[in-house]
Amino acid sequence: DVKVTQSSRYLVKRTGEKVFLECVQDMDHENMFWYRQDPGLGLRLIYFSYDVKMKEKGDIPEGYSVSREKKERFSLILESASTNQTSMYLCASSLYVNNQPQHFGDGTRLSIL
Amino acid sequence: GENVEQHPSTLSVQEGDSAVIKCTYSDSASNYFPWYKQELGKRPQLIIDIRSNVGEKKDQRIAVTLNKTAKHFSLHITETQPEDSAVYFCAATGSYGNNRLAFGKGNQVVVIP
Repeated sequence: DVKVTQSSRYLVKRTGEKVFLECVQDMDHENMFWYRQDPGLGLRLIYFSYDVKMKEKGDIPEGYSVSREKKERFSLILESASTNQTSMYLCASSLYVNNQPQHFGDGTRLSIL
Repeated sequence: GENVEQHPSTLSVQEGDSAVIKCTYSDSASNYFPWYKQELGKRPQLIIDIRSNVGEKKDQRIAVTLNKTAKHFSLHITETQPEDSAVYFCAATGSYGNNRLAFGKGNQVVVIP
């Protein structure tokens, strides 16, 4: 069974702080994704990575950056947290081969005060 | 990019009845269509998927149908049970590659005992 682990279930930070959200998968998947989930807006893609040190912008990359130094780990960085980044953040991974499902972590509920 | 829309946004059904959720997509290059179920406070989990070379797929009480000409696909749940209450997301690949998905905004399904 694929396991995608996000480092925190709940996180509270202050405006202006640099915030790191960590995600680790144990299935040797090439692709990893970061989403933001807000009520009524579904899942919106922030960034994804298809290989170590490779990254591509999703639909809402502004205010975020990512890091992928190892295949199993994909980090989302909020450079200077703002209150409008309060949200649920979901990480997912998938194989590189096309038409394969994404597998999600449990999510991190982030509150920016 | 791909645009996926789901209808209706909320669906209430009596236990034992059937539920149908329909999604439309815009990019004719889409060839993989997964459905995810997200229970309250939990991760989205893949429940069924379909590839463009088939028109229908069944797994016990759930089925998915695909109409590529009309660019829509539907989730059918028969003999609904209270544990089917959840948010359901559909997704499509578009022409992105790398297993990137475009998600619909989700449907809240409520099964009334």
